[in-house]
This record gives sequence, C-alpha cells and structure tokens, in this order.
Amino acid sequence: AQTVTQSQPEMSVQEAETVTLSCTYDTSESDYYLFWYKQPPSRQMILVIRQEAYKQQNATENRFSVNFQKAAKSFSLKISDSQLGDAAMYFCAYSPKYTGTASKLTFGTGTRLQVTL
Amino acid sequence: GAVVSQHPSWVICKSGTSVKIECRSLDFQATTMFWYRQFPKQSLMLMATSNEGSKATYEQGVEKDKFLINHASLTLSTLTVTSAHPEDSSFYICSARETGAYSNQPQHFGDGTRLSIL
Repeated sequence: AQTVTQSQPEMSVQEAETVTLSCTYDTSESDYYLFWYKQPPSRQMILVIRQEAYKQQNATENRFSVNFQKAAKSFSLKISDSQLGDAAMYFCAYSPKYTGTASKLTFGTGTRLQVTL
Repeated sequence: GAVVSQHPSWVICKSGTSVKIECRSLDFQATTMFWYRQFPKQSLMLMATSNEGSKATYEQGVEKDKFLINHASLTLSTLTVTSAHPEDSSFYICSARETGAYSNQPQHFGDGTRLSIL
C-alpha cells in the first residue's frame, strides 16, 4: 500500500520569505502522480501543484515549485515570496497512474503553515 | 473551471437521524466520485469510491450499512449517514474526476459538509 508522510506538523514563515514543506512517500509503482493541496480555514481543497513521476523536470506554478527526488521518494514544496494568504494546511498526496476507481488519492497528515508579518 | 457542489454545507441533527449529503458535478460528467472524512486538524481519509451505476467500493474499516452511497447519474452521488450518532460527527468532503480523465488530472473537491450529531 502506498503511504505519504509529512514530518512537519507546523511551519512558520515571515511574509516575503521562502519556506519548504517536506513530503516523502512509499510506493512500488514506477509511474504515478504527486500533488500538493492547500486547505485554508474555509476547508476547501485547492490544488496547488502536481507532478508526474515520469517527468524529471520539477513542476512550477508561479511562486510554488517542487523538488521531486524520485529515487529518494521525496516531494517537497517550496513557496517563494510568502504571502498572508498562503497560510493554510498543506497536504501532499499520491495517486497511481490509472483511470477509474484505482486512481484514488492518498493524503499525508498535513503541514499547517503560518505566515507572519 | 470544473465545479463540484456539495450540499448541505452544515447540518445539525439529533442522534438516530439519517442524513443525506449530495455531491454534484455542475459542468462535467463524473463516472467516479470519492467520499472523504476529515476529523479536526487531521488529514482526509478516503471512505469510499462511488461508481456511477454500480456499487461503491468501501475502504477497509468503513461500515457499508452505516454510510450508504448512491451514484445514480454521472453528475450526482449521495452519501447517507444512517442512524447517525455523535461519533459520526465530522467533516465530509466529496470529490469528482471527469469521466475518461487520467489520474494526473486533479480531483475537483466540493466545499465539504460539517455534520454535527447531538
């Protein structure tokens, strides 16, 4: 079974600074997908960024980028120029590369990010 | 963009009541929808995978008779918490993926339902 581990329950960053959230996972699959989701106090799940395992290039979305280390099974999220609106719970998630019912998400335990002035 | 509507957003009811939560994909068809449960300050735990026109696939430890799932159309899945008790109080979230999409396409999440059983 796949597992996703986020070892940082809470992180804090000053506004405009950079922070990195860690995520490791375990799978026997060679091709899969990884995601970072943001859950603000409203509790809506918002996709931040996604990575396809067969792509060596790290995904980037504006201020958000990932460091994907496939051999180490590591998938960290870097937030640059942090903003107050970035404060939220961040979940790392894994999905196998299938369609249909097999493509369910496995979530990590989450990292609560605080952004201070 | 793809929108998933979840209703109701908050429900409070007495113990022993059955509660139905709806999950609708508003602008796309979803053969598969997912139901999650989230306890305060915890992660999302997949409860079951809802399949249009067939029985849901439940995760280990989830009571099928307690959490009834129906996916009667390509745009609607319902979760019914039967004879709810205080321990069923939680935040329930549904998600849906467009029919035919590969799993690199994100699941679209509803806004969740806060269920409180008195």
